[in-house]
Amino acid sequence: DVVLTQTPSTLSATIGQSVSISCRSSQSLLDSAGNTYLYWYLQRPGQSPQLLIYLVSNLGSGVPNRFSGSGSGTDFTLKISGVEAEDLGVYYCMQATHAPRTFGGGTKLELK
Amino acid sequence: EVQLVESGGGLVKPGASLKLSCVASGFTFSDYWMSWVRQTPGKTMEWIGDIKYDGSYTNYAPSLKNRFTISRDNAKSTLYLQMSNVRSEDTATYYCTRVWYFDFWGPGTMVTVSS
Repeated sequence: DVVLTQTPSTLSATIGQSVSISCRSSQSLLDSAGNTYLYWYLQRPGQSPQLLIYLVSNLGSGVPNRFSGSGSGTDFTLKISGVEAEDLGVYYCMQATHAPRTFGGGTKLELK
Repeated sequence: EVQLVESGGGLVKPGASLKLSCVASGFTFSDYWMSWVRQTPGKTMEWIGDIKYDGSYTNYAPSLKNRFTISRDNAKSTLYLQMSNVRSEDTATYYCTRVWYFDFWGPGTMVTVSS
């Protein structure tokens, strides 16, 4: 199975600070058709996950544009440009290029 | 508004069977593949499997395919997860979600396997 390694595991930020989360894959997530099936989710405390980014860099419906995704191959990044209080929670990356789908271990974003 | 609501969780003994349900609303259920994902108490996320929009095809995580079965009833807009011979490591919150982007998730139903 593809292993997704997220770093850091915990991230402390102040409101307004810009932060980045890394997701590294044990295999390239580029498929033979040129697609990269890498997604980002946020799970707020006590809630179910919500989609932030799909296909590496596309913003989910209703997701603020302070969130952005980038990367290719095995290295991917989620950036938050100006953390707001509602952004606190655990962030997960997920890949769907290779079966079975797998998730990263999560990055907890907390207030400093 | 898209809604997914899981039910059927609870406390079960090792070796027992359990069937979870997920009722969908706010979209044409029969147009979408659906999936089950679980989250352990340690917050690890694990994909369980998918089912095609018409129920004609299913795909499972290899480690679970012998014990878990996904089915659906499009007339009832309901997704199911049949769990058999459950083990302590199946203790988790179980979510249904819409494929392919996992763009909507239910609130989850908690399953605890313990004697």
